[in-house]
Amino acid sequence: QSALTQPASVSGSPGQSITISCTGTSSDVGSYNFVSWYQQNPGSAPKLMIYEGSERPSGVSNRFSGSKSGSTASLTISGLQAEDEADYYCCSYSDGSTWVFGGGTKLTVL
Amino acid sequence: QLQLQESGPGLVKPSETLSLTCSVSGGSIISSSSYWGWIRQSPGKGLEWIGNIFYRGTTYYNPSLKSRVTISVDTSKSQFSLKLSSVTAADTAMYYCARQRSTLKDIDYWGQGTLVTVSS
Repeated sequence: QSALTQPASVSGSPGQSITISCTGTSSDVGSYNFVSWYQQNPGSAPKLMIYEGSERPSGVSNRFSGSKSGSTASLTISGLQAEDEADYYCCSYSDGSTWVFGGGTKLTVL
Repeated sequence: QLQLQESGPGLVKPSETLSLTCSVSGGSIISSSSYWGWIRQSPGKGLEWIGNIFYRGTTYYNPSLKSRVTISVDTSKSQFSLKLSSVTAADTAMYYCARQRSTLKDIDYWGQGTLVTVSS
């Protein structure tokens, strides 16, 4: 079970849109519509931002959206704000009733 | 509002067994829609799923840790526990307990985390 592949870092200016990719395999992202995304601020536990690939929990801004194509899932943040600066992790359900995380992406708002 | 709280020693010696407990409040641990899981994060690194348990005792583990991990549940105390044997410095991490939704396969509630350091 290998970690999902995410870019180590992405950056954008306020108001812009950014996309974070999450590449897996046919054992996880490619076979299941159960990709979730988490935002983690320094010293805090992760927070669920997207579940089932594209669904937003109550209270999460509609500036956050998710999608999937094949074995790659994506998180898009539109109208970037300073408060969005954080680490982002994808997670997928995987064969054998296991879960696998991505390596994480550090988002910098310029 | 569901709350999870980790507890256990913050320092474990190499080759010994790490033991942590998660206390669940604000909701029932006896839930057909929940798995109770453990996730860890090494300092400055990413998240790693360790495993989870259903209230009836069914467990699932990360294949890379399976030989050293045991997760158990005590429904009478509304707690579940993690044991990780033969620890090394590589097991030094923040350990989070969490609720994983069984149908949506996500993690919607997290504990605050507890730092465990492996050192002699």
